[in-house]
Amino acid sequence: DVKVTQSSRYLVKRTGEKVFLECVQDMDHENMFWYRQDPGLGLRLIYFSYDVKMKEKGDIPEGYSVSREKKERFSLILESASTNQTSMYLCASRRPSGSYTQYFGPGTRLTVL
Amino acid sequence: GESVGLHLPTLSVQEGDNSIINCAYSNSASDYFIWYKQESGKGPQFIIDIRSNMDKRQGQRVTVLLNKTVKHLSLQIAATQPGDSAVYFCAERTDNYGQNFVFGPGTRLSVLP
Repeated sequence: DVKVTQSSRYLVKRTGEKVFLECVQDMDHENMFWYRQDPGLGLRLIYFSYDVKMKEKGDIPEGYSVSREKKERFSLILESASTNQTSMYLCASRRPSGSYTQYFGPGTRLTVL
Repeated sequence: GESVGLHLPTLSVQEGDNSIINCAYSNSASDYFIWYKQESGKGPQFIIDIRSNMDKRQGQRVTVLLNKTVKHLSLQIAATQPGDSAVYFCAERTDNYGQNFVFGPGTRLSVLP
């Protein structure tokens, strides 16, 4: 079974703090994704990476950056957290070809005070 | 689909009944769709997918129907069980590489005893 893990289930930070969200997958997938999920809205893509050190902006990249130094690890960085970044953050991975199925982690619920 | 709103639609069904969850998608050129299930406190989990060259696809206790004329997708769950209680949402592929999907806001399914 594919396993995608996220470093924290719950996180509380203060406005202006730098926040790191870590995601690790164990299936050697090339593609990894970061989404945010807000009540009543669909998942929105923040960034994705199709290989080590490669990244592409998604639909809502403002206020975020990412890092992919190793294939299994994809980090989401909030350079200066703001209250409107309070959300559920979901990481996903998939193979680059064949099935388009994305395997999701359990999510990190971030609260910015 | 990409209907955006603050309130998550809810469907309540009796245990043992069939459930039908609907989704409207936005792009008539979309050629691939996925249904996900998200249980409380967990990340989304793949249920079933369908390509636009099909009208219907069946899995174990689930059936997805695609009506391209009206851009509508439905998920049917047979003999609904308490373990089916979750949020269900559809996703439509928006690029040829499978990197980008538009996710619907979801429908909360509650199974009554």
